[in-house]
Amino acid sequence: GAGVSQSPSNKVTEKGKDVELRCDPISGHTALYWYRQSLGQGLEFLIYFQGNSAPDKSGLPSDRFSAERTGGSVSTLTIQRTQQEDSAVYLCASSQNLQGTYGYTFGSGTRLTVV
Amino acid sequence: AQSVTQLGSHVSVSEGALVLLRCNYSSSVPPYLFWYVQYPNQGLQLLLKYTTGATLVKGINGFEAEFKKSETSFHLTKPSAHMSDAAEYFCAVMSNAGNMLTFGGGTRLMVKP
Repeated sequence: GAGVSQSPSNKVTEKGKDVELRCDPISGHTALYWYRQSLGQGLEFLIYFQGNSAPDKSGLPSDRFSAERTGGSVSTLTIQRTQQEDSAVYLCASSQNLQGTYGYTFGSGTRLTVV
Repeated sequence: AQSVTQLGSHVSVSEGALVLLRCNYSSSVPPYLFWYVQYPNQGLQLLLKYTTGATLVKGINGFEAEFKKSETSFHLTKPSAHMSDAAEYFCAVMSNAGNMLTFGGGTRLMVKP
């Protein structure tokens, strides 16, 4: 597509429930990234995927968080047993290469609210 | 590990005044540096980037930034602020491994009429 598409744009969930966030990157972009933006804070790196290589999961805050990228395209970020501190905007980005020298293209994000 | 410091979480300027948003970074190798802008309820949009070559980089919407290695800085400027420039601005550095961006905490720019 023309840009990075994320769905849903807003999600309200009850504490303890699981949620899935979807990211559809720009066609042909080999690298895909997930970041989290909490209120009043900067962007926190979560995970990235590059082609068929094993993802770098070093930024995932706990084992309740997981992500996959099917067929080198669409990615899903799953948060299990959500907690209130998981409330944030989750941003997905893609780039033409892992080095990101062309810059990242970001989606509009999913605003997650855990009540 | 890289880090990025943006001085001033909030900056307020009058319309028509100079915009200066400060960014300092730490990196053990020549960095790739970026500025992004985020308008309300939107994702981040690339303003400009420095990879190699000329240290003064021009971006969209009249913004520019200068890479100063001796000062480890990459400050963002615009000669004359417009109301439409009100947004949050993020400075970022590419990691040593060249595989992800590390972002600063952001600076919210407010433009007064």
